[in-house]
Amino acid sequence: QKEVEQDPGPLSVPEGAIVSLNCTYSNSAFQYFMWYRQYSRKGPELLMYTYSSGNKEDGRFTAQVDKSSKYISLFIRDSQPSDSATYLCATVEGSQGNLIFGKGTKLSVKP
Amino acid sequence: GAVVSQHPSWVICKSGTSVKIECRSLDFQATTMFWYRQFPKQSLMLMATSNEGSKATYEQGVEKDKFLINHASLTLSTLTVTSAHPEDSSFYICSASVTVDYEQYFGPGTRLTVT
Repeated sequence: QKEVEQDPGPLSVPEGAIVSLNCTYSNSAFQYFMWYRQYSRKGPELLMYTYSSGNKEDGRFTAQVDKSSKYISLFIRDSQPSDSATYLCATVEGSQGNLIFGKGTKLSVKP
Repeated sequence: GAVVSQHPSWVICKSGTSVKIECRSLDFQATTMFWYRQFPKQSLMLMATSNEGSKATYEQGVEKDKFLINHASLTLSTLTVTSAHPEDSSFYICSASVTVDYEQYFGPGTRLTVT
């Protein structure tokens, strides 16, 4: 079993929809969780960063971590065509901060 | 803030030559820099981790003699692909972090094509 599992999609939604992106992880010791957005042929951009369980909100984005079920989620409200990208979940392993990425979910928001 | 640059953004080279890619943290000092490789429609694969003034730590299966990493200062790391071959063609991305909070900031990537 891979340490971080993510459905690669693709996921297609109409503009204005609420998008739910999810990942599961296997190691209960993981404490730090991130969501990155990557546009085609660009480097990933850090969207959300959470520590341990709970919710974190930033504008239209909400990150949620449920450590009891080892489940992390990213919600996008009022989705826009500019949100079309690949979304990668990640967690931190080791003292140097090595990231373990999910495969990424490709999202397409149709006007 | 937290801007990371990479140069060049795109490079084409002939088989057997070497290519150097630079990664700079522009507005912060990075205690750790990371080098990733990404093939089309795949996630990022960590190649190596480096700290300023120390030898890089390579992931299993990554040839340290082929992918030379130099972390000369808190704002600059370089990756040199030596004796490049077509199978080295890929998207190389660096990131930088201040270890205390584990946030990694990524560069825009370098597309390497070896002919």
